[in-house]
Amino acid sequence: DAGVIQSPRHEVTEMGQEVTLRCKPISGHDYLFWYRQTMMRGLELLIYFNNNVPIDDSGMPEDRFSAKMPNASFSTLKIQPSEPRDSAVYFCASSLDRNEQFFGPGTRLTVL
Amino acid sequence: TQLLEQSPQFLSIQEGENLTVYCNSSSVFSSLQWYRQEPGEGPVLLVTVVTGGEVKKLKRLTFQFGDARKDSSLHITAAQPGDTGLYLCAGDDNNNDMRFGAGTRLTVKP
Repeated sequence: DAGVIQSPRHEVTEMGQEVTLRCKPISGHDYLFWYRQTMMRGLELLIYFNNNVPIDDSGMPEDRFSAKMPNASFSTLKIQPSEPRDSAVYFCASSLDRNEQFFGPGTRLTVL
Repeated sequence: TQLLEQSPQFLSIQEGENLTVYCNSSSVFSSLQWYRQEPGEGPVLLVTVVTGGEVKKLKRLTFQFGDARKDSSLHITAAQPGDTGLYLCAGDDNNNDMRFGAGTRLTVKP
């Protein structure tokens, strides 16, 4: 298996632009997670899905962030409009049982 | 405030030394995971502990879950430069919330 795939690996954009991050989970995994990691705040859970249904989005910072999972093999995290404080590494992870998670390589987002 | 408190925050040691890092909480966890993250990569799962008092070994790494399932430790014997990385603990508390600690950043010098 190729593992969790994320794209793009790096994204540089200007404040106010829309950013879309993509994730392909490991086939057969029922859970998908989106995290944000910064030096100041560490690894933060933004939202997670079970069987394509959003279960807990309490970690989503504000309405500028949205996430979708239209099918079992694809998810997106969208930021619109982006702000400099959104600069971070965004990770997608998937798992069979919610606890033992397999992480993708991350997307490093820089908002200028 | 982190639900899972990890200590120390930073640790720098020489190759061959032993070390222990800690993950503590006031909450009871149904299970707890340890991950290692290397620069530029995502965290990689090392182990899951489930039973209070459980000890698991992974080569030179020894993981222990506290009797009350509120804390855990990771002991590394004869550390090597390849052990360098960010060690994260994570757990599912009784509210069914998944939490990560802030991590211990370990540097092993050759």
